[in-house]
Amino acid sequence: AQSVTQLDSQVPVFEEAPVELRCNYSSSVSVYLFWYVQYPNQGLQLLLKYLSGSTLVKGINGFEAEFNKSQTSFHLRKPSVHISDTAEYFCAVKKSSGDKLTFGTGTRLAVRP
Amino acid sequence: KAGVTQTPRYLIKTRGQQVTLSCSPISGHRSVSWYQQTPGQGLQFLFEYFSETQRNKGNFPGRFSGRQFSNSRSEMNVSTLELGDSALYLCASSSLGRRDRVYHEQFFGPGTRLTVL
Repeated sequence: AQSVTQLDSQVPVFEEAPVELRCNYSSSVSVYLFWYVQYPNQGLQLLLKYLSGSTLVKGINGFEAEFNKSQTSFHLRKPSVHISDTAEYFCAVKKSSGDKLTFGTGTRLAVRP
Repeated sequence: KAGVTQTPRYLIKTRGQQVTLSCSPISGHRSVSWYQQTPGQGLQFLFEYFSETQRNKGNFPGRFSGRQFSNSRSEMNVSTLELGDSALYLCASSSLGRRDRVYHEQFFGPGTRLTVL
């Protein structure tokens, strides 16, 4: 079975500062990796995904993530955050295209002016 | 294309009652998955339907059930509601085929927030 650990439940950061949200996963097989964002009272929106190939993946809203197989990590980064990035971010894995998503517990990003 | 729609958006029930939630997938999508989101347990997979058949099931009691209709719309039902069933229930659809190996993105609806009193 797969599992996902998001090491930080909350990350406060000032506007225009860089941010990194950490995600580690555990799986005995190859997996697909995802980051989703959830704004208040809304569903989940896909930020980016790693399926194969280049380990650095770029997503929407200026976010990027790097897949590190040896460290089983998939950390999310943004060089300069905006107030509008305040939301909950979820890391997720699935072992194949037909499998369910397994989510981490989420990281609440709070961007301060 | 219209996104995934879920109805109702908000629901208040009392313990012991039952509830039915509805999900309309994106047009052309045949796979529908349901997730429960709570502050304590986070996001947990409930079940997935494809072509009116349950294809995958999470670790939830039998009080949680679902079905899918020929037009791919799906419903989930929770019987004998408990306080712990209060949650945001999210539905996601994808164009996933029967058992193909190609990745198909899951698109999430806004969710139904269920409050059990």
